[in-house]
Amino acid sequence: EAGVTQSPTHLIKTRGQQATLRCSPISGHTSVYWYQQALGLGLQFLLWYDEGEERNRGNFPPRFSGRQFPNYSSELNVNALELEDSALYLCASSLMGGTGRQPQHFGDGTRLSIL
Amino acid sequence: SQQGEEDPQALSIQEGENATMNCSYKTSINNLQWYRQNSGRGLVHLILIRSNEREKHSGRLRVTLDTSKKSSSLLITASRAADTASYFCATDARGYSTLTFGKGTMLLVSP
Repeated sequence: EAGVTQSPTHLIKTRGQQATLRCSPISGHTSVYWYQQALGLGLQFLLWYDEGEERNRGNFPPRFSGRQFPNYSSELNVNALELEDSALYLCASSLMGGTGRQPQHFGDGTRLSIL
Repeated sequence: SQQGEEDPQALSIQEGENATMNCSYKTSINNLQWYRQNSGRGLVHLILIRSNEREKHSGRLRVTLDTSKKSSSLLITASRAADTASYFCATDARGYSTLTFGKGTMLLVSP
């Protein structure tokens, strides 16, 4: 069974640019989660998508957005990039309605560096 | 915040020793989960313990949960160098629809 895949592995951008990160969940998983892992801050919840709908978002500004496609893959868009957006962005997927009761399966992340 | 907090922040032991990590949280939970993250990689789910369970085992892992103290511990027995990683607890808190992760414990196991 293929795991969660994320692309690209690394992404280098400059301030003010826009970044698009992609995630393919495990087959059969309908929920996709995005997290930001900045140095020393642990995992910060960004977004949760289930069945194509945004179900919840964390405490991040609106320039962080995303969507989930009919095949359950997802993309995260970050507009007007700032230096503090430099982080590892992790995508996870789970079965069913995305409650925490189901374990989440993580990809290896996209390392976003802002110059 | 309902965020779990792991203790200690970092732990260094020798191969063969046991490693114990603790997690405290603030609100009532449905379950608590432990994850491992190797450097530069994604998180790997280790074990899930429900609020009505007190102890759970998986191989060399033992997790306990004390809901009265709002705390959990992860014990890794007979540690190996390959156990070197960061370990995170995540709470599925009642009234919240997503997991909340702590900042993790960095475990270094030396040969």
